[in-house]
Amino acid sequence: EIVMTQSPATLSVSPGERATLSCRASQSVGSNLAWYQQKPGQAPRLLIYNTSTRATGIPARFSGSGSGTDFTLTIRSLQSEDFAVYYCQHYNNWPPFTFGPGTKVDIK
Amino acid sequence: QVQVVESGGGVVQPGGSLRLSCAASGFIFNNYGMHWVRQAPGKGLEWLAVVSYDGSNKIYADSVKGRFTVSRDNSRNTVSLQMNSLRAEDTAVYYCAKDLRKGDTSVIFDYWGQGTLVTVSS
Repeated sequence: EIVMTQSPATLSVSPGERATLSCRASQSVGSNLAWYQQKPGQAPRLLIYNTSTRATGIPARFSGSGSGTDFTLTIRSLQSEDFAVYYCQHYNNWPPFTFGPGTKVDIK
Repeated sequence: QVQVVESGGGVVQPGGSLRLSCAASGFIFNNYGMHWVRQAPGKGLEWLAVVSYDGSNKIYADSVKGRFTVSRDNSRNTVSLQMNSLRAEDTAVYYCAKDLRKGDTSVIFDYWGQGTLVTVSS
């Protein structure tokens, strides 16, 4: 089973700054990686899939990059509504597939 | 607009059963696979099961295989999750989610319901 790790566990960022979140897979997942955002009390929302394709309605300040085992979600100029938990998820050679443990982005 | 609405959660004793339902609208239901994903209190996300667009293919996570059964009724645009032999560790919010890809299952979840809470406790 491919194990996903995310770092840091918590990222404190000031509004308007850039946030860089990392996701690492224990073995290559190609470009089969997605990112989700979850706010307290809400369902997750798909942000990015296929490593770098933004989902419908996702602002351009969200971008994804990487391949193989190392991936990055970048949020350019954080807005107040961006403070949330972010999960990565691989979907390579499933099942099984797994989500990462999440990175919480909070206000500095 | 796409809507996914779960129902059926509640409190159940260990060893008991519960059936969750998910009603979908706003898209051509019989074109897309549907998934169940859960989240234990304060924890991360765990994928549980998928049913293909036509109901012919069902795949489960090892943690629920043999205990949970997913099904769909394309005439009613609904998906169900029958949960048997429930354990305390099954306590979670259960989400129904639509697959991104038409036809083939991508395991990318582009629309989620608001979730329904299942509590397994005596």
